[in-house]
Amino acid sequence: KAGVTQTPRYLIKTRGQQVTLSCSPISGHRSVSWYQQTPGQGLQFLFEYFSETQRNKGNFPGRFSGRQFSNSRSEMNVSTLELGDSALYLCASSGDSYNEQFFGPGTRLTVL
Amino acid sequence: GENVEQHPSTLSVQEGDSAVIKCTYSDSASNYFPWYKQELGKRPQLIIDIRSNVGEKKDQRIAVTLNKTAKHFSLHITETQPEDSAVYFCAAFRFNKFYFGSGTKLNVKP
Repeated sequence: KAGVTQTPRYLIKTRGQQVTLSCSPISGHRSVSWYQQTPGQGLQFLFEYFSETQRNKGNFPGRFSGRQFSNSRSEMNVSTLELGDSALYLCASSGDSYNEQFFGPGTRLTVL
Repeated sequence: GENVEQHPSTLSVQEGDSAVIKCTYSDSASNYFPWYKQELGKRPQLIIDIRSNVGEKKDQRIAVTLNKTAKHFSLHITETQPEDSAVYFCAAFRFNKFYFGSGTKLNVKP
């Protein structure tokens, strides 16, 4: 099976702009979670989608939003970018039965 | 919610020695505990996991132990090699959500 893929791999934006990141899960996986990773901050949970519904949400401001499509692909959007949004954004997919979560390569976002 | 604490934050060992990383969790409803290895610039990779109905699991040089009563689980790496150098994350799974520890940077000195 192909692994989790994310596009784009790198992005450079300026403050105030918005950005959309994409994640394609492993075939057959219906759960997609998003994480923000910054140096020294570990993995911060953003939200999780399952069958096109947001099932869990972390403690991020409303500027961070997401959605999931019927083919389980997911997008994450960040509006009004701030310098502090610079991070590696990882998505991960899980199957229904065994919980194992597999990560994509991440999108490195730099906000100038 | 769940709270996962991971120690130590950094660990330096000599090649061939063993390394142990410990995590504690707070909610007894957590029932699945994976460990991830993240090499510099790469994605976290699942290296071993354990479910709440099992006390220990081993895969070659790595093993994980779970103490449900004390709510802690540990990663054991034996005969460490330089390629084991990475950041290791533990996690607890509860109600469709993963809670991650803050990570341990393992340095294996040749």
